[in-house]
Amino acid sequence: NAGVTQTPKFQVLKTGQSMTLQCAQDMNHNSMYWYRQDPGMGLRLIYYSASEGTTDKGEVPNGYNVSRLNKREFSLRLESAAPSQTSVYFCASSEFGQGGEQYFGPGTRLTVT
Amino acid sequence: GENVEQHPSTLSVQEGDSAVIKCTYSDSASNYFPWYKQELGKRPQLIIDIRSNVGEKKDQRIAVTLNKTAKHFSLHITETQPEDSAVYFCAASKNTDKLIFGTGTRLQVFP
Repeated sequence: NAGVTQTPKFQVLKTGQSMTLQCAQDMNHNSMYWYRQDPGMGLRLIYYSASEGTTDKGEVPNGYNVSRLNKREFSLRLESAAPSQTSVYFCASSEFGQGGEQYFGPGTRLTVT
Repeated sequence: GENVEQHPSTLSVQEGDSAVIKCTYSDSASNYFPWYKQELGKRPQLIIDIRSNVGEKKDQRIAVTLNKTAKHFSLHITETQPEDSAVYFCAASKNTDKLIFGTGTRLQVFP
């Protein structure tokens, strides 16, 4: 099992460009998440999907859109990148229920110039 | 919404000493409290968790305690080793899978 995978590992964008971060899991989990990690800020939830076909906003959704393509895949799109979106992005998945372990991907380091 | 505060932001200890990291949460309905460890350049990984119907949980050298009345929970690491050096995050959630994380504690264990 690969667990949770993310592509790309690194990306540099210019202000105003768009891109999609890809995430896939092979653990048959129902729930998937996107976080951003900034120094001194911890992990902040951008969007999550409790099950296939549903998505909900987290703490910091502005400037992002998501798609739960199927049970395995959950993508994050930046339509018009801004320098404030420079961050490390982590995807995670878990079995749906009353809380439980979240399994994280390796992260994507994004720089917006 | 839920807010989780974590202290201290950095912690340095001598190998073999104990380390304690504390978190407070704001929503009394929160009922699940995990701790994640993130080594430099790596992904966060769960090391221990506790639910609100339990006051303490241990796993070898790590333990977590929960005080629901005061709305705080703590991570205790005994007999620290250099490989314990990492950033530790607490989190809280209530009846959902949506976790709210603290801002992290960078633990350094000196040999």
